[in-house]
Amino acid sequence: KQEVTQIPAALSVPEGENLVLNCSFTDSAIYNLQWFRQDPGKGLTSLLLIQSSQREQTSGRLNASLDKSSGRSTLYIAASQPGDSATYLCAVWNRDDKIIFGKGTRLHILP
Amino acid sequence: DAGVTQSPTHLIKTRGQQVTLRCSPKSGHDTVSWYQQALGQGPQFIFQYYEEEERQRGNFPDRFSGHQFPNYSSELNVNALLLGDSALYLCASSLGGFVAQHFGDGTRLSIL
Repeated sequence: KQEVTQIPAALSVPEGENLVLNCSFTDSAIYNLQWFRQDPGKGLTSLLLIQSSQREQTSGRLNASLDKSSGRSTLYIAASQPGDSATYLCAVWNRDDKIIFGKGTRLHILP
Repeated sequence: DAGVTQSPTHLIKTRGQQVTLRCSPKSGHDTVSWYQQALGQGPQFIFQYYEEEERQRGNFPDRFSGHQFPNYSSELNVNALLLGDSALYLCASSLGGFVAQHFGDGTRLSIL
């Protein structure tokens, strides 16, 4: 059974710092991995999608990497800003076409 | 261009009651997925509808059922509500499968 774990559960960093969020999964036979952002009381916004054949994706200040063999993904945020404060969720798509989410990392950027 | 809209935004029910939540997909999308997100947890996939049929289902009991209409809008029905059904229910639409899903802001369901 696929399990997705995100560490840390919460993180506070000063504005301007670079930071890394971690996601691990137990079954490496995934189809895709996706990072989402969720603001309080809101739905999810897709940030980056990495297909199983890819190793990383970049969008602006965000970079996500994928290492299927070790069951790990990281989301790197450069030059953090207060507007980056949100919960970041990692989700994997299994080959049986089921999507499994982690519990998320609550990120707070201190002005 | 309206995104995914869900109604109502908040709902309070008591144990044993039944509830219906509604979702209108983003224009041009034909697939609707429903998720349950308990407080402090990630979303859990309930089911996905395409062409008015349930295409995929997560690990949820039969108390959870759904429907998709010809205009692609969808309803989630939950019968015999339990305290543990209290959660944020998210709807997501896409053009086929889980790729490029757009999420609504959810319905917050509280069970007393």
